[in-house]
Amino acid sequence: DAGITQSPRHKVTETGTPVTLRCHQTENHRYMYWYRQDPGHGLRLIHYSYGVKDTDKGEVSDGYSVSRSKTEDFLLTLESATSSQTSVYFCAISSGADTQYFGPGTRLTVL
Amino acid sequence: QQQVKQSPQSLIVQKGGISIINCAYENTAFDYFPWYQQFPGKGPALLIAIRPDVSEKKEGRFTISFNKSAKQFSLHIMDSQPGDSATYFCAARNKGPGGGNKLTFGTGTQLKVEL
Repeated sequence: DAGITQSPRHKVTETGTPVTLRCHQTENHRYMYWYRQDPGHGLRLIHYSYGVKDTDKGEVSDGYSVSRSKTEDFLLTLESATSSQTSVYFCAISSGADTQYFGPGTRLTVL
Repeated sequence: QQQVKQSPQSLIVQKGGISIINCAYENTAFDYFPWYQQFPGKGPALLIAIRPDVSEKKEGRFTISFNKSAKQFSLHIMDSQPGDSATYFCAARNKGPGGGNKLTFGTGTQLKVEL
């Protein structure tokens, strides 16, 4: 998985609780992305980062925030989780070339 | 609003046959069109990609055909094998702030290759 780890790999939480997912890379790539994958929707971009402290919104950013204080770490936070945020979350990285490399995913269930 | 439409949703092909998956897009600002392959429980992995100034790209058994005027592109898998059974996603790229690749994905095609 191109030197990408995601933690946790599985999480069950309750509505209204805060949740933070972590993406860690060992490739020193400049760009990092968060996607969510849902049946019938494919993958949808939530947020991405083009450098430390530099982020931009994707197509489904509402209810999510991100932070990147180090090149290797990109955090996705659900401030107050809702059932509609039950999904599989993928982190991806790229060096600025075309290819994005995806991590193994985090399965999040919000009860 | 789905900017990249993918069909079919599922596909069953006999071993040795040709698998064809189609995608259509609307945004003419897209400048790069990758296909990703995903196995159950894994993250997507880049399979093959094309730029709009090329009408066809072939890598082994995988070929992308691109029709810029129709805003359509397709993936052809020749001599399909059981190991090709996976979910396939087409995607299209916009460049974002800072030069990042903002990908818009199709909804996916679940391919099963039967013996």
